[in-house]
Amino acid sequence: DIQVTQSPSSLSASVGDRVTIACQTSQDIKNYLNWYQQKPGKAPKLLIYDASILETGVPSRFSGSGSGTHFTFTISSLQVEDIATYYCQQYDGDVFYTFGQGTNLEIK
Amino acid sequence: EVQLVESGGGLVQPGGSLRLSCVASGFTFSSQWMSWVRQAPGKGLEWVADMNGDGTKQYYLKSVKGRFSISRDNAKNSLFLEMNSLRAEDAAVYYCARDHKYTGGWHFDYWGQGTRVTVSS
Repeated sequence: DIQVTQSPSSLSASVGDRVTIACQTSQDIKNYLNWYQQKPGKAPKLLIYDASILETGVPSRFSGSGSGTHFTFTISSLQVEDIATYYCQQYDGDVFYTFGQGTNLEIK
Repeated sequence: EVQLVESGGGLVQPGGSLRLSCVASGFTFSSQWMSWVRQAPGKGLEWVADMNGDGTKQYYLKSVKGRFSISRDNAKNSLFLEMNSLRAEDAAVYYCARDHKYTGGWHFDYWGQGTRVTVSS
């Protein structure tokens, strides 16, 4: 099975800061990597799919990059409403999905 | 507008059974792969099972294979998860999600609000 390692597990930043979250997989998954935002008590929301494609309606301050085994999620200028837990998720081409451990993003 | 509404969660004793339901609207349900994803209290997300549009293919997380069964009724736009031999570690909020593929891999583009399953004596 493909392992997914997401870092950091928690992050504290100020409004306006650039925030970066990393996700590493144990095998090459091409660009089959997605990013979700989950606010407390709510369902996850898709932000980025296929490593770098912004889901419709998602603000452009969110972006993703990477391929193979190393991926990055970036918020260019942190807003108060971005406080949430973020998850990466891989699809290994063999009908199984694995999520990263999550990054809890807080305001400093 | 796409909507997914889960129901059927509740308190069940270890070893017991429960059936979750998800009613979909706003899209052609019979054409879409659908999944169940769970989240244990204070923990991360875990994919559980999925099924193709006509119900002929289904895949499971290893730890639930043989105990859980995913099914669907396309006439009623409904997805189900039959859970048997429940264990304490199965306690979670269970989400129904739509699988979607653009040009690359698969992702979950719509999610329900979740239904909570508690396993306790």
